[in-house]
Amino acid sequence: DQQVKQNSPSLSVQEGRISILNCDYTNSMFDYFLWYKKYPAEGPTFLISISSIKDKNEDGRFTVFLNKSAKHLSLHIVPSQPGDSAVYFCAASSQGAQKLVFGQGTRLTINP
Amino acid sequence: DAGITQSPRHKVTETGTPVTLRCHQTENHRYMYWYRQDPGHGLRLIHYSYGVKDTDKGEVSDGYSVSRSKTEDFLLTLESATSSQTSVYFCAISARQVLDSNQPQHFGDGTRLSIL
Repeated sequence: DQQVKQNSPSLSVQEGRISILNCDYTNSMFDYFLWYKKYPAEGPTFLISISSIKDKNEDGRFTVFLNKSAKHLSLHIVPSQPGDSAVYFCAASSQGAQKLVFGQGTRLTINP
Repeated sequence: DAGITQSPRHKVTETGTPVTLRCHQTENHRYMYWYRQDPGHGLRLIHYSYGVKDTDKGEVSDGYSVSRSKTEDFLLTLESATSSQTSVYFCAISARQVLDSNQPQHFGDGTRLSIL
């Protein structure tokens, strides 16, 4: 039973345009959500997080939106850059940032 | 990097042999975690530790054990490796104190384990 789902295995976006990565969850007890970025042969790197008391959090080019009623979150990257090409994982927890449950990941490719 | 070293980085072994992976941190973080990453599953939590000698099971703990005898080291042991445990294993750390429980986890670069 996949509690966190990323339904798009891959996404291709033109450089300079907006990248939107989506994530759905089923567990209504989740109250903290994170996005990680992963390059090949490296560990995931933390990007941005949001708690359930907010519906938006912004950090530079990265914005995370949370829609609790739809149990949906999204990551917006504007503008997209070639270095953004990576696999992106969303994660959720009901215990702060501990005991994370990850989605399957979405491979983002930024085309020049 | 967050001061996390995983060893070995690569290992090939045979079914039925014991295997121990090591995670070493220099950040004095309280919490440490072991995950495995498999295609189609993302990362799944195996075990975690919330202090020296304090550990608990994660989502996929069967066939694995852990030990944490000091703050900086968290060991993952496969008592009798099986082919289904072929995976990439990641260690993560977070939070120096319980009150920092919303601090994000930081990951090591992984150990690629192949069991033939």
